[in-house]
Amino acid sequence: DAEITQSPRHKITETGRQVTLACHQTWNHNNMFWYRQDLGHGLRLIHYSYGVQDTNKGEVSDGYSVSRSNTEDLPLTLESAASSQTSVYFCASSVSLEGIQYFGAGTRLSVL
Amino acid sequence: SQQGEEDPQALSIQEGENATMNCSYKTSINNLQWYRQNSGRGLVHLILIRSNEREKHSGRLRVTLDTSKKSSSLLITASRAADTASYFCATPYAYSGAGSYQLTFGKGTKLSVIP
Repeated sequence: DAEITQSPRHKITETGRQVTLACHQTWNHNNMFWYRQDLGHGLRLIHYSYGVQDTNKGEVSDGYSVSRSNTEDLPLTLESAASSQTSVYFCASSVSLEGIQYFGAGTRLSVL
Repeated sequence: SQQGEEDPQALSIQEGENATMNCSYKTSINNLQWYRQNSGRGLVHLILIRSNEREKHSGRLRVTLDTSKKSSSLLITASRAADTASYFCATPYAYSGAGSYQLTFGKGTKLSVIP
C-alpha cells in the first residue's frame, strides 16, 4: 500500500544546530507539503512543492528550507534551530492542490 | 490568516450521543474538507464536500455546507469511544496569489466520547 513516512519520529537538538526532517511518499503525488502544529495555532503551512525542482514558501517559512530533487522526497531543513521551532512537524502529499491530503505520522522536534 | 475556524473548541459527550462540530470560513471556496487526528498521530481525511453540494454522508458522518453563510457542520451519529479525537476543517486558500491554492486548517474541535 502507498504511504507517507516521516523520520525521525522524535528529535532533540540544540539551539543553532542544523536539523533535517525527512519525508518520503510512495503515492507518486506531485504535491507535497510541510506543516507545523502548535497548541493554539492549529496547522500552519511552512513550505510546499508542486513537483520536482519546485518549492514555495508558506505562511511560516522563516528559518526553514526545502528542496525537491525527486517525486518521492521533500526534506525540511532548519538552518539554525531556534527554541521557537520546537513543534510537531507533519508532511503531507496530494494529487491536486485543493484535494485530499495524505499525512505522515509526524516528527516531534524539541530545540533546547 | 487561517481561513476556517471550528466551534466549539472542545466537546464532551456520552457514548451513543450525537456530536456536532461547526466550521466557519472567510472567502469563497471550491470545496471544504474534514479531517480527524487521533492523539499523537497524523491527520486522516474524512470527507470532502464541494461548493455545489449541500449535504454529504459517509457512514456515521454527515457533513453540510452552507455557502451563503460560509459555514459547514460535521455530525457524528451514535458516537463511540473510538471517535475521541480532534476534528479539523480545511479550506483552499491562496497564499501566493490567484491560481495557487493550498489547504488551510482550523485549530480543531477536540471531541471526547465518554464510555
